[in-house]
Amino acid sequence: AQTVTQSQPEMSVQEAETVTLSCTYDTSENNYYLFWYKQPPSRQMILVIRQEAYKQQNATENRFSVNFQKAAKSFSLKISDSQLGDTAMYFCAFLLGSSNTGKLIFGQGTTLQVKP
Amino acid sequence: NAGVTQTPKFQVLKTGQSMTLQCAQDMNHNSMYWYRQDPGMGLRLIYYSASEGTTDKGEVPNGYNVSRLNKREFSLRLESAAPSQTSVYFCASSAGQGVSNQPQHFGDGTRLSIL
Repeated sequence: AQTVTQSQPEMSVQEAETVTLSCTYDTSENNYYLFWYKQPPSRQMILVIRQEAYKQQNATENRFSVNFQKAAKSFSLKISDSQLGDTAMYFCAFLLGSSNTGKLIFGQGTTLQVKP
Repeated sequence: NAGVTQTPKFQVLKTGQSMTLQCAQDMNHNSMYWYRQDPGMGLRLIYYSASEGTTDKGEVPNGYNVSRLNKREFSLRLESAAPSQTSVYFCASSAGQGVSNQPQHFGDGTRLSIL
């Protein structure tokens, strides 16, 4: 069975600085996808970034980038130039490539506070 | 672009009452999901429907039933609400079957309180 662990329940960062959120996962499969979702106080779940396990290149989306270490089963999210609007809970999620159901396995979440 | 629409947004029930949470998506997605979100526990899958006409249990199905009414709609029913079911409920959808790398799209959630 696959598991996803986010070991940092809460983090804070000063506006304009860089912060890294950690995520580790466990699987014996080789084909899978990883996601980071953002949940601001409005409660919406917003997809931030996606990584295919077969790709060695780390995914980037503007100020958001990942450090994907497949051998270590680590998938951290780096937020550069943090903005007040980045304050949210962030969830790491895993999807088996062989899945025909699209079922995601979520981590417990990390609450990020960006301070002015 | 409506995406995934959940109703209601808020609800308060008394213990023992029943209620159905509604969810509809307009993205022609095959798969739909119901999650509950509780503090410190992330999102836990209650039930899912991989395709129209099928439903399967997730991680925490006890006390719930679901109906995949058609491709667009996937409802969650609490037959006899209990205080332990106080939570925020999210519906999601994805392209699903045959398109496994597609992310899930979420509704805005329903905050449900059972007194």
